[in-house]
Amino acid sequence: SAVISQKPSRDICQRGTSLTIQCQVDSQVTMMFWYRQQPGQSLTLIATANQGSEATYESGFVIDKFPISRPNLTFSTLTVSNMSPEDSSIYLCSVPGTSVYEQFFGPGTRLTVL
Amino acid sequence: DAKTTQPPSMDCAEGRAANLPCNHSTISGNEYVYWYRQIHSQGPQYIIHGLKNNETNEMASLIITEDRKSSTLILPHATLRDTAVYYCIAHLGGATNKLIFGTGTLLAVQP
Repeated sequence: SAVISQKPSRDICQRGTSLTIQCQVDSQVTMMFWYRQQPGQSLTLIATANQGSEATYESGFVIDKFPISRPNLTFSTLTVSNMSPEDSSIYLCSVPGTSVYEQFFGPGTRLTVL
Repeated sequence: DAKTTQPPSMDCAEGRAANLPCNHSTISGNEYVYWYRQIHSQGPQYIIHGLKNNETNEMASLIITEDRKSSTLILPHATLRDTAVYYCIAHLGGATNKLIFGTGTLLAVQP
């Protein structure tokens, strides 16, 4: 299994500001995934982050709004830029397990934008 | 990934078996059926997966119909800690394949 930590666990931010969320894994992984979960909704994939290359974004998500860094095989950041109240969500990172049949998820970052 | 359909909510009495259905009529031959659950305020947790055969592990059993168009996740003795949203996902598997979550079933285990 993989142990994933995220920072911050929660934050309250003002409209127009940006927040960077960190995801740390206890083992080296090729791919990391970032998800958003809006209040009362299911998870939506934002992007896939590969080490050494640009992230691949899903439809409806763009790099200018959600820039991602992947400096090494155990760490990634997601920035939510120029935030609005609609960005209030839980943001989660995940990584594939060694069995490649399961993914492990971090505890999530609960973001509230005022 | 094939679309899956689940009931939005279900109740189950504590100690009884919880049977969660999932329809995936457009599943392709090489897509697995995965189940994850998300307990309130936590990240999703892998439960089980299968391709054609029924599967069982320490958490649950997965029954897949012969035509693979539907499946049932069985929690044999539900406890209050099993209260969660359960997601059924049709997925090719593999580390490079992203998970696409549907709306899931909120299972409420009642005392």
